[in-house]
Amino acid sequence: GENVEQHPSTLSVQEGDSAVIKCTYSDSASNYFPWYKQELGKRPQLIIDIRSNVGEKKDQRIAVTLNKTAKHFSLHITETQPEDSAVYFCAATGGGADGLTFGKGTHLIIQP
Amino acid sequence: DSGVTQTPKHLITATGQRVTLRCSPRSGDLSVYWYQQSLDQGLQFLIQYYNGEERAKGNILERFSAQQFPDLHSELNLSSLELGDSALYFCASSVRGLGVTIHEQYFGPGTRLTVT
Repeated sequence: GENVEQHPSTLSVQEGDSAVIKCTYSDSASNYFPWYKQELGKRPQLIIDIRSNVGEKKDQRIAVTLNKTAKHFSLHITETQPEDSAVYFCAATGGGADGLTFGKGTHLIIQP
Repeated sequence: DSGVTQTPKHLITATGQRVTLRCSPRSGDLSVYWYQQSLDQGLQFLIQYYNGEERAKGNILERFSAQQFPDLHSELNLSSLELGDSALYFCASSVRGLGVTIHEQYFGPGTRLTVT
């Protein structure tokens, strides 16, 4: 089955700086890659996603890139703000099963 | 608010007991997914239902079962509970049909299960 690795597990950046979170996946048949943000005790919230026919997608301060050949995808957050502090999860699916396979999560801390 | 609802919010029960978690998908969504979130296992896919039928299985234990009813709400049944079953259980829904295109999954607020 699919295996998703996510790095780093913790990321601390100064407010206003950029943050990058990286994920790799193992199943070359995977074709859908969402990113979720989860605040403490709350539900995972979909913030952006990308499909395998696209290399990059941007939504305001958030962007995601996908390299199918290397089987990795990344989340980029620019001009970070205190409300960006949360745990971010990458996920992958599409290789025959619909359920999302998640990475272990990245705890993003925005330092004032 | 994602439009996905789950009840109850919290559940405390003893080992060996059985519980039922309930999920109502967003209006118009035909697929329901169940996930378990724990500190040691992370977020894990358990099972998916589409329009009343089981569609895909993940890391679901034999002690766990689920079903989706004609009104599209779903229930996850957990039996012979063990301490290790303590976790957050999330339901997600999507418009995902039988076609090729994968659609976004929106998560409910979760049910926190504590087994004592």
